[in-house]
Amino acid sequence: EAGVAQSPRYKIIEKRQSVAFWCNPISGHATLYWYQQILGQGPKLLIQFQNNGVVDDSQLPKDRFSAERLKGVDSTLKIQPAKLEDSAVYLCASSTRQNTIEKLFFGSGTQLSVL
Amino acid sequence: AQKVTQAQTEISVVEKEDVTLDCVYETRDTTYYLFWYKQPPSGELVFLIRRNSFDEQNEISGRYSWNFQKSTSSFNFTITASQVVDSAVYFCALSEAENTGFQKLVFGTGTRLLVSP
Repeated sequence: EAGVAQSPRYKIIEKRQSVAFWCNPISGHATLYWYQQILGQGPKLLIQFQNNGVVDDSQLPKDRFSAERLKGVDSTLKIQPAKLEDSAVYLCASSTRQNTIEKLFFGSGTQLSVL
Repeated sequence: AQKVTQAQTEISVVEKEDVTLDCVYETRDTTYYLFWYKQPPSGELVFLIRRNSFDEQNEISGRYSWNFQKSTSSFNFTITASQVVDSAVYFCALSEAENTGFQKLVFGTGTRLLVSP
């Protein structure tokens, strides 16, 4: 079974530039999450999708971050404009249910450096 | 508010030593779930275990074991006879039990385990 695919693996940009990350979840997984992991910290949930609808975006900085999952499969996360404090690894996860228990599968992440 | 504390930033052991990773959590919920994830250098988070708040039985899976003590709000993880391949960052996480069944994970800051030959 193919895992969660993310690209690019690394991205370096200057502050105030824009950047986009892409995530392809495991086939058939209806739920998709984006997490932000700042160096030395645990991942923090940014947004959760169920199919193409947003379930929770309460921790997404909406003034500069946006995310979409138009067809309920792939998802993109965008930052515009980027700030220095956005330097982090952005992890995508998709989930399935096994006996009503949700199980998350994570991608390897996109490491963003904002200079 | 929910909070997970992993006080050990980094632990170094020699292969075959046993090692325990500590996790202390805070929550006002009576029903919740606790998790451990492993993050190897490749970056992806690998699920290790999920435990609900009503099940305080300790669990053993091969060289891994978990000790859940509700009285002290701790969910510690022990690796027996550690191996070099165990080197990774380990995260403890907490999720409230939502009616939707979705997991809103709150992670600790992680413990980096270095196992040397």
